[in-house]
Amino acid sequence: GNSVTQMEGPVTLSEEAFLTINCTYTATGYPSLFWYVQYPGEGLQLLLKATKADDKGSNKGFEATYRKETTSFHLEKGSVQVSDSAVYFCALVIRMDSSYKLIFGSGTRLLVRP
Amino acid sequence: NAGVTQTPKFRILKIGQSMTLQCTQDMNHNYMYWYRQDPGMGLKLIYYSVGAGITDKGEVPNGYNVSRSTTEDFPLRLELAAPSQTSVYFCASNPPGWGGRGNTEAFFGQGTRLTVV
Repeated sequence: GNSVTQMEGPVTLSEEAFLTINCTYTATGYPSLFWYVQYPGEGLQLLLKATKADDKGSNKGFEATYRKETTSFHLEKGSVQVSDSAVYFCALVIRMDSSYKLIFGSGTRLLVRP
Repeated sequence: NAGVTQTPKFRILKIGQSMTLQCTQDMNHNYMYWYRQDPGMGLKLIYYSVGAGITDKGEVPNGYNVSRSTTEDFPLRLELAAPSQTSVYFCASNPPGWGGRGNTEAFFGQGTRLTVV
């Protein structure tokens, strides 16, 4: 079936450290891929997306590249800040029957310490 | 810009009670979704809708019902509340995007925290 697998958290880093959060997917067809972020007490909001193979999504210093050969969409940031502490969700949109479904991974909590 | 509005924000129910979680969006989006998020877990799709009059089950539909009589509203109904339904519920919407591929940004409400005791 269609699914998204993320690395388990929490991920704890010091400020200015390099961040990688792994995400792999299983899907029939050619999904669009997303990273969403959830700050404490809030709903999810889009961080970045990529709609086809080799596309790179980027926003607020975060990047992720759609790798079809490895079915991955790993999130990276060169230098994290305390304000980046949140839960990060990898997601895909896939066509199922006559409509499209948005499917999320389990989320990875990031804690950045000063 | 209201976006996606969920009510109520918090609710405590007794086992066996029923309630409706309201969700309204003012962006004229075709797609709407209901997810639940259990503590420390990801989001699980309960129901979704691709337009007024059309609804379909997600991963965990048991114990819930939905309707979509208008583009704007997508209420979620719990008929007989059970402790297993204690969770945070999120409503989301997005437009179908170019070519109807559904690969557009989803907008989320602030969530409804439900406790069943």
